[in-house]
Amino acid sequence: QQQVKQSPQSLIVQKGGISIINCAYENTAFDYFPWYQQFPGKGPALLIAIRPDVSEKKEGRFTISFNKSAKQFSLHIMDSQPGDSATYFCAATSMAEFYFGSGTKLNVKP
Amino acid sequence: EAQVTQNPRYLITVTGKKLTVTCSQNMNHEYMSWYRQDPGLGLRQIYYSMNVEVTDKGDVPEGYKVSRKEKRNFPLILESPSPNQTSLYFCASRDSGTDYEQYFGPGTRLTVT
Repeated sequence: QQQVKQSPQSLIVQKGGISIINCAYENTAFDYFPWYQQFPGKGPALLIAIRPDVSEKKEGRFTISFNKSAKQFSLHIMDSQPGDSATYFCAATSMAEFYFGSGTKLNVKP
Repeated sequence: EAQVTQNPRYLITVTGKKLTVTCSQNMNHEYMSWYRQDPGLGLRQIYYSMNVEVTDKGDVPEGYKVSRKEKRNFPLILESPSPNQTSLYFCASRDSGTDYEQYFGPGTRLTVT
């Protein structure tokens, strides 16, 4: 059973628009929810992360919204730029075991 | 420069020929982990290690072995590779504290024919 479900699989957004990627999880023991950004030929890199005791975290143009009761969290990219074009993964962990979503390929059109 | 290194970056081998992918980190991290990345499946954890001589299975450990004899190194061993182990492999490390930020290596593209 997939522990973390991510959607959409791909996303096309115009420059300046808002990109939204959604994830849902099952295990209520998870206590850390990161988002990773991956460019072709590179390893994933941490973008932003949240703990379940807060409902929102913002870092620059990137915001995580977290809904503990619904067991869902999402990544919002404001003012999307062509340089944001990459694959994004959500993940969840309770310290040792990490579970990743299936990934979203974002294409920001100039 | 703080980094995780993997070798080799690319490997083509044949079914049944034992291979080792090395992983090394220079950040004195206690925690290290191996993942495989397949299209449409994201990253799946193979094995992880909380410290020297402490390893544990992740989500997809079948067909893989690991060892952690030194803090900085965490090799992934495929004793008898099969074509379904063709994948992109990533090693990662992080500190053992409450900050779970992982640092990933550049990846190893493995093809088993």
